[in-house]
Amino acid sequence: QVQLVQSGAEVKKPGASVKVSCQASGYTFSTFAINWVRQAPGQGLEWMGRISGYNGHTKYAQKFQGRVTLTTDTPTSTAYMELWGLSSDDTAIYYCARELRDYGDFDYWGQGTLVTVSS
Amino acid sequence: SDDVTQPPSLSVSPGQEAIITCSGENLGTKFVSWYQQKPGQSPVLLIYQNDKRPSGTSERISGSNSGNTASLTISGTQAMDEADYYCLAWDTSTHVVFGGGTRLTVL
Repeated sequence: QVQLVQSGAEVKKPGASVKVSCQASGYTFSTFAINWVRQAPGQGLEWMGRISGYNGHTKYAQKFQGRVTLTTDTPTSTAYMELWGLSSDDTAIYYCARELRDYGDFDYWGQGTLVTVSS
Repeated sequence: SDDVTQPPSLSVSPGQEAIITCSGENLGTKFVSWYQQKPGQSPVLLIYQNDKRPSGTSERISGSNSGNTASLTISGTQAMDEADYYCLAWDTSTHVVFGGGTRLTVL
């Protein structure tokens, strides 16, 4: 069965960076893209960007351009999201999600990783 | 504008039909998917490419998209349908935009 398992909760200080991992299993990693979505406490979903599992091509939401880096490690079927220059506004649950057919159809989601930014 | 708008809340009685809308400029030219999220859980895909149901989505749930409005319809609403619902609009330029979400309450 398809699973996306994310790394554990993080607490960071303002100005720091965070790197969240998402390990996929149950399918051929290179066949699908991975997207990253975050959700601030009590707020809605916000798309951050996607990375192709096939060739590593990325597309970022304009809001995060220059502040987020998405990467993959195909041998371990793992995707990574690194966010720089953290502020309290970045406190959120960060999700990875598999994209089924490249049209914004996220059919499997990770369990989420809570990132707390606090001094 | 790339913004996609949903009503913040919707209340229905059990057994009634719930229609959750998602509005945006020329939304009908984009692919829309719908997600359900219950408290403390990850979102779940309900509808993709406007009107397709993944296996596991109840037949009570359907989607449509035309003009400036996409809709998610839940027929025979049950208590288990109480959740937050998000639309997602996809196109080749902006790629992905989420609506603000609609909280469905089953009274």
